[in-house]
Amino acid sequence: EVQLVESGGGLVQPGRSLKLSCVASGFTFNNYWMTWIRQAPGKGLEWVASITNTGGSTYYPDSVKGRFTISRDNAKSTLYLQMNSLRSEDTATYYCTRDRSRFAYWGQGTLVTVSS
Amino acid sequence: DVVLTQTPPTLSATIGQSVSISCRSSQSLLHSNGNTYLNWLLQRPGQPPQLLIYLVSRLESGVPNRFSGSGSGTDFTLKISGVEAEDLGVYYCVQSTHALTFGSGTKLEIK
Repeated sequence: EVQLVESGGGLVQPGRSLKLSCVASGFTFNNYWMTWIRQAPGKGLEWVASITNTGGSTYYPDSVKGRFTISRDNAKSTLYLQMNSLRSEDTATYYCTRDRSRFAYWGQGTLVTVSS
Repeated sequence: DVVLTQTPPTLSATIGQSVSISCRSSQSLLHSNGNTYLNWLLQRPGQPPQLLIYLVSRLESGVPNRFSGSGSGTDFTLKISGVEAEDLGVYYCVQSTHALTFGSGTKLEIK
């Protein structure tokens, strides 16, 4: 059974940093691209970052480019999202998802609240 | 960025009624490889989204066949043939032909 379990969320002050993790199981992690998607409270879904199966290439929308870094450790079947210079508008539940086009598997999400 | 416009924003249906949701794209979603990367997701209250339909019309494993998808180019439709109580939630279209974007969602309420 495919499982994605996010962790690392919490309350953080504006301008500070936070690192999210997503532990994957039930599939061959290094065969798949991975993606982070977020959802602000009561709002829709927004793409945050994607990474190739090897970790050799990463992709971001302009809203987070230069502030967020996606990475992975294939030996640990773990996906990461390093978030720097956090803003109030980054407040959201962050979901880890498998691949870049089908999105058949999602974690339960981890809530990040950016507030002073 | 590709903008996906979903209509209607809210939908109220009785059990057994058939409904449709439209998703219109600001650009063609036909990829150079011949695939059209347009999916439909359902997010039930308090849950992460789940995949219903991928590649416009392919039903994800385990999803009831009352859900169907159709369309091409820039116009796509999700149809529910006989709404059931468990279908309530927010439906999103999502495209990955270009940089990933989502529709704004359609909230389905049960009368």
